[in-house]
Amino acid sequence: NAGVMQNPRHLVRRRGQEARLRCSPMKGHSHVYWYRQLPEEGLKFMVYLQKENIIDESGMPKERFSAEFPKEGPSILRIQQVVRGDSAAYFCASSPRVNYGYTFGSGTRLTVV
Amino acid sequence: DAKTTQPPSMDCAEGRAANLPCNHSTISGNEYVYWYRQIHSQGPQYIIHGLKNNETNEMASLIITEDRKSSTLILPHATLRDTAVYYCIVRILTQGGSEKLVFGKGTKLTVNP
Repeated sequence: NAGVMQNPRHLVRRRGQEARLRCSPMKGHSHVYWYRQLPEEGLKFMVYLQKENIIDESGMPKERFSAEFPKEGPSILRIQQVVRGDSAAYFCASSPRVNYGYTFGSGTRLTVV
Repeated sequence: DAKTTQPPSMDCAEGRAANLPCNHSTISGNEYVYWYRQIHSQGPQYIIHGLKNNETNEMASLIITEDRKSSTLILPHATLRDTAVYYCIVRILTQGGSEKLVFGKGTKLTVNP
């Protein structure tokens, strides 16, 4: 009974490259949430998705960031043309329904050099 | 912005109860209080949540005041492994049917031997 799986655990990208972060929710969970955590800060909400639908992307930067949760396969958070300020830990969480405790993954630590 | 206020740090002796306070004076009637903790840089771990009534599970107890403007998380017998940052969160509901957890900076709890 695997938890929320995120990969890669660590990702290094040069400025201008694309970063692709993957999240496989727990079995039976159809709600996925992405959060970003800068060093010494709390987590910031980015986007909430259900299968094939973006429910709330109010926390996503307007440019370069996109997210999807296809019918088959993991949820993907894509960052195009990365900049140093994108360096952070990105956490994915899933839940089986609303108003239920989220299960978080171990995160992907993105470093932009 | 986070709707909660927590002390930045607290200490507790091993084996004693840890009582972590949280103020959420602007909470709305249908907003739940959630508690998570984050150990080192791992993904946050769900602890407990509640609306009005006190709640208890295998990890902790949650005491919510009658006016719902504050709450206390109680770890009955703290161990060294309970050293973590504890986040008190108000679950936000949006008109569009979305929900999100808005994290503050949390309380850094240190359990001392």
